[in-house]
Amino acid sequence: KQEVTQIPAALSVPEGENLVLNCSFTDSAIYNLQWFRQDPGKGLTSLLLIQSSQREQTSGRLNASLDKSSGRSTLYIAASQPGDSATYLCAVHNQGGKLIFGQGTELSVKP
Amino acid sequence: KAGVTQTPRYLIKTRGQQVTLSCSPISGHRSVSWYQQTPGQGLQFLFEYFSETQRNKGNFPGRFSGRQFSNSRSEMNVSTLELGDSALYLCASSSLGQRSTDTQYFGPGTRLTVL
Repeated sequence: KQEVTQIPAALSVPEGENLVLNCSFTDSAIYNLQWFRQDPGKGLTSLLLIQSSQREQTSGRLNASLDKSSGRSTLYIAASQPGDSATYLCAVHNQGGKLIFGQGTELSVKP
Repeated sequence: KAGVTQTPRYLIKTRGQQVTLSCSPISGHRSVSWYQQTPGQGLQFLFEYFSETQRNKGNFPGRFSGRQFSNSRSEMNVSTLELGDSALYLCASSSLGQRSTDTQYFGPGTRLTVL
């Protein structure tokens, strides 16, 4: 049974700092891994999707890596801003249409 | 392209009632998945529909059901509501075929409160 874990559960950093969010999964037979952002009371915004054959994806200040063999992914956020404050969720896709989510990392970036 | 839309956005019901939530996927997307989000359990998969057929189902009781129409719009129904059904219900659409791995796009959710 696939399980997804995110560490840390919460993180508070000063503006401008670079940071790394971690995601681990127990079953390496995945199609892809997706990182999402969720603002309080809102839906999910897709940030990056990494296919199982890829090692990393970049979008602006965000970089996500995937090491399928070790069951790990990281989301790197460069030069953090207060607007980055949100909950970040990773999810793995290893069965048609079904994402398994971690519990999320709540990020607070202080001005 | 318009995003995923969900109606209603907020709903208050009492125990024992039933509720129907609606989801309109992005134009051209044929896969619609439903998720329940609660503070204690996080995001949990309910079911997925593709071309009007339920393709995957999560571990929820039979009170939770869904369907998909020929235009890919989907509805989710919960019967005999319980207090524990209070949650944010999210739907997601993608162009997933039988084996493709496209991005899933989420709607804003329906906040259901059961009193």
